[in-house]
Amino acid sequence: TQLLEQSPQFLSIQEGENLTVYCNSSSVFSSLQWYRQEPGEGPVLLVTVVTGGEVKKLKRLTFQFGDARKDSSLHITAAQPGDTGLYLCAGAAPGSQGNLIFGKGTKLSVKP
Amino acid sequence: GAVVSQHPSRVICKSGTSVKIECRSLDFQATTMFWYRQFPKKSLMLMATSNEGSKATYEQGVEKDKFLINHASLTLSTLTVTSAHPEDSSFYICSASQWGETQYFGPGTRLLVL
Repeated sequence: TQLLEQSPQFLSIQEGENLTVYCNSSSVFSSLQWYRQEPGEGPVLLVTVVTGGEVKKLKRLTFQFGDARKDSSLHITAAQPGDTGLYLCAGAAPGSQGNLIFGKGTKLSVKP
Repeated sequence: GAVVSQHPSRVICKSGTSVKIECRSLDFQATTMFWYRQFPKKSLMLMATSNEGSKATYEQGVEKDKFLINHASLTLSTLTVTSAHPEDSSFYICSASQWGETQYFGPGTRLLVL
């Protein structure tokens, strides 16, 4: 069974600080997706990475897919209170027909 | 684009009754729809995967007779929680994808069984 280890599980920081969330696995993924979820709502897709070594930027968010496609990171620069939420990474195993394996999530709280 | 809706957003029912939750892809044809359950402050737990026109594939430990899934069209899937009990209270989320690509999630349905 493929697992996706996400860390840290909880993160509480002050506005303006930088942070990085990690997702690691011993298995290869054909793609990896990052979602952000607010309480009482469904996850919202932030980005999909598919190529080993790929880096994607979304304003202050930088996503990286590991060269071997086994790990990924999300870096947020100058965090703002609006970034508060649950961040989920999810990987699609090769040949899985789209089934995603989710990390346990990182609960981020950015205090003003 | 890629909007997925769920209805109802919240439902309260008595123990022993059945509840149906609808999941619709509004602007694309979803060849596959997924149903998840999420406990407070936890990640998503996949319950089942359904492809249009065929029987759903349930994850281990999920009772198919308890959670009935129908995917009758490329834009609609339904999850029916039969004979609901308080332990079935949870946040149920569906997602939809086209040809095994990115999953787009609905806003979720909060079920409370009294």
